Amino acid sequence: GENVEQHPSTLSVQEGDSAVIKCTYSDSASNYFPWYKQELGKGPQLIIDIRSNVGEKKDQRIAVTLNKTAKHFSLHITETQPEDSAVYFCAASKNTGFQKLVFGTGTRLLVSP
Amino acid sequence: GAGVSQSPSNKVTEKGKDVELRCDPISGHTALYWYRQRLGQGLEFLIYFQGNSAPDKSGLPSDRFSAERTGESVSTLTIQRTQQEDSAVYLCASSLDEVVKTQYFGPGTRLLVL
Repeated sequence: GENVEQHPSTLSVQEGDSAVIKCTYSDSASNYFPWYKQELGKGPQLIIDIRSNVGEKKDQRIAVTLNKTAKHFSLHITETQPEDSAVYFCAASKNTGFQKLVFGTGTRLLVSP
Repeated sequence: GAGVSQSPSNKVTEKGKDVELRCDPISGHTALYWYRQRLGQGLEFLIYFQGNSAPDKSGLPSDRFSAERTGESVSTLTIQRTQQEDSAVYLCASSLDEVVKTQYFGPGTRLLVL
């Protein structure tokens, strides 16, 4: 089955810096890759996703890149703000019929003012 | 519009008791998912519903865990004879259908088994 590894487990940056979180997946058939942000005491919230027919997707300060050959994808947050502090999860699944999302173990991002 | 809601938000129970956790998905969402999140860990898939049927129960950790969904709406996750290792946050998510993958999560139920 699919296995998703996520690094780093914790990431501390200064406000205004960029943050990058990386994930690798094992199943070459996976083709849907969402990223979720989880704030303390809340459920995960989808922030961006990418499907395997594109290599990059941007939404304001957030971007995701996908390298299908290497089987890895990354989340990039630019101009970080204290409110970006949260736990971020990547996930992967196939896109045919129901295929469960397999999540990474999470990255705790701390943005210091 | 209203998001996914879950109740109770917190539950403390004694080892050996049964608990029921409830999930109300977004109206019109036919797909519903249950996950478990242990402290400091990622999300562990438990079960998936499409409509009222559960085509994938592969994540249920033991026969003490069961779930049902009625009226293509509310779902209940039941844990019988709770054990301390069942302590976790139980998250519910829904999506429009199994093809549209975007899953929207509820706030979770924090279960503590003493």
